[in-house]
Order: sequence, then structure tokens, then C-alpha cells
Amino acid sequence: QMQLQESGPGLVKPSETLSLSCTVSGGSISSYYWSWIRQPAGKGLEWIGHLRATGGVTYNPSLKSRVTLSMDTSENRFSLKLTSVTAADTAIYYCTRVAYRSVYPITYNWFDPWGQGTLVTVSS
Amino acid sequence: DIQMTQSPSSLSASVGDRLTITCRASQSISSDLNWYQQKPGKAPKILISAAVTLQSGVPSRFSGSGSGTDFSLTISSLEPEDFATYFCQQNYNTPYTFGQGTKVENK
Repeated sequence: QMQLQESGPGLVKPSETLSLSCTVSGGSISSYYWSWIRQPAGKGLEWIGHLRATGGVTYNPSLKSRVTLSMDTSENRFSLKLTSVTAADTAIYYCTRVAYRSVYPITYNWFDPWGQGTLVTVSS
Repeated sequence: DIQMTQSPSSLSASVGDRLTITCRASQSISSDLNWYQQKPGKAPKILISAAVTLQSGVPSRFSGSGSGTDFSLTISSLEPEDFATYFCQQNYNTPYTFGQGTKVENK
């Protein structure tokens, strides 16, 4: 069974860079798209972006100028960097796989499975 | 961006109740709509994809309907483990967007 695990600092200072990794076990990241999603405490979910090993990265325009997603297939993990953080970036950050089912000619996607999430607080 | 609006934002219900949560998209998204359940301190869990397809392992009391801009999630008979927050999510266009959530509380 595929499992995802986020890792990285839980506290980041304002104006600095938030860096998180997601290690995938029980399957190869060479297949599928992989996403990051965040959720401020008590609030809704925001899609940050997705990427795949064969190339192709898409970012949420609201974060595009500050976000970089990357992948290390040798380590079976993918990563998120968010620069110039502010208190508004304080959230639980989730990594997830983009699962899919094709019913020609349409492909349906959904997020599954998810990591347990990691809380990142931006504070001095 | 496609805006997803859920209603209600919260509701109180009892075990055995039938309840329906609605989700409206700001433009047509065909059937590219997913439903998730989230319990406190946990990641969201997929319930329904493509508006109507029940995911493996999800109880049959959950069902989804709709297409275009209007969708609904129905729980036919609420069980104790169903008290949670439910989110809809459109996968039609990036940026993928979620509804604000519907919290189902015990009356």
C-alpha cells in the first residue's frame, strides 16, 4: 500500500524559504502526477501545484512567483520550496498522489493517498 | 479560477438521518468533481470521484450526483463515524479548487 510522508522544518522565519520533502513508499514516483496542498488551521484547502517525473510542472498562479516543485526519482521523493514566506503561509502542508481513471476520451483525477500532513508555522 | 461554493457550511444531524450537501461551481465542470471527508487532525480522504463514482472501500450509504455546475453528496443513513467535514473539489481546470467545507456535527 502506497504511503506518503512529509518532512521538513516546522518553524520558518518571515521572508525566509519554506522547504518540505515528501517520501513515497510502496510505489514508484516515476509514474503519476504528485501534488502539494495546504490548509491553514481551521480553514479550507489550497492546491499549490503538481509535477511528474517525465516533466511538466503546474503551479497555482496565486503562488507561482514563489513556488518551486522538484523531484528526486533516485530517492523516490518530491519537494516543495516556497520563498519569501509570511504569516499567511502558516498551514498544514500535505503531499498527495494524483490518482486517475480513464474513461475514453476523458481522464478523471483525484487526490489519493495523502501524507499525514506537516504543520509549518511562519514566525520570528 | 473556478469557485466552488458548498452549502450549508455546517449542519447538525443525528445518527440515522439522511443528509445532503450541495456544491456549486462558478462555471461548468462537466463531471470533474470529487468529494472528500476530513476528520480532525487527519488528512482528507477521497469518497467519490467523477461526481458519482464511489471509491473502493467507501460505504454504499455515500452517493454523489450532478454534472455541469450543481452537485450533491448524500449520506443515506448517518453513522457515528460520519461526523466530519466534507469538501468538494473540481479537477476540470487548474488551479484545482476546493469548496470551503461542510462540517457535520452531532445534534
